[in-house]
Amino acid sequence: KQEVTQIPAALSVPEGENLVLNCSFTDSAIYNLQWFRQDPGKGLTSLLLIQSSQREQTSGRLNASLDKSSGRSTLYIAASQPGDSATYLCAVRGNQFYFGTGTSLTVIP
Amino acid sequence: GAVVSQHPSRVICKSGTSVKIECRSLDFQATTMFWYRQFPKQSLMLMATSNEGSKATYEQGVEKDKFLINHASLTLSTLTVTSAHPEDSSFYICSARGRLAGGSAGSTDTQYFGPGTRLTVL
Repeated sequence: KQEVTQIPAALSVPEGENLVLNCSFTDSAIYNLQWFRQDPGKGLTSLLLIQSSQREQTSGRLNASLDKSSGRSTLYIAASQPGDSATYLCAVRGNQFYFGTGTSLTVIP
Repeated sequence: GAVVSQHPSRVICKSGTSVKIECRSLDFQATTMFWYRQFPKQSLMLMATSNEGSKATYEQGVEKDKFLINHASLTLSTLTVTSAHPEDSSFYICSARGRLAGGSAGSTDTQYFGPGTRLTVL
């Protein structure tokens, strides 16, 4: 069974710092991997989608990488802002979705 | 740990028929349910949010008369795709947010995701 792990569980950084969130998964047979953010009380907002054949995707200050063979993905956030404070989830798609437990990010002004 | 189940996991139907997908929270009372869908090679997108006992709130572009959501109890929400067409073929996933049974008074809500339902409309 696929297991998705996110490290760290919580992270607090001062504004302006660059940071990396990690996601690892045990079964490399995936169709794609997605990164989401979730604000308190709200649904998921999709950030980046990486197909299994791709190695990275970029959107603005966000860059996500995928190393399928090693079962790892990273989400890089450049020049963090207080508005980036949220919970970040990664999910891998095989025959079903498997979600990580999330990283709670706090960016301190 | 808490579990969210979906039924069925896969369904194939003819165009024009209606399909019901169930989402159940097994170890906790889900005060809020979210429904998402993912088209091939696209991101998972939020369709609607429903709170137990009240009408669902749909995201822009999602037809409420086509995607009927019922959240009649704290453990069950259903999504009915009415008069399904091939373009409705997608992966539908629910998530449930609530508080675990036996949690402390100060415990916070947690969200759990179902495994998804693959709908194919012929």
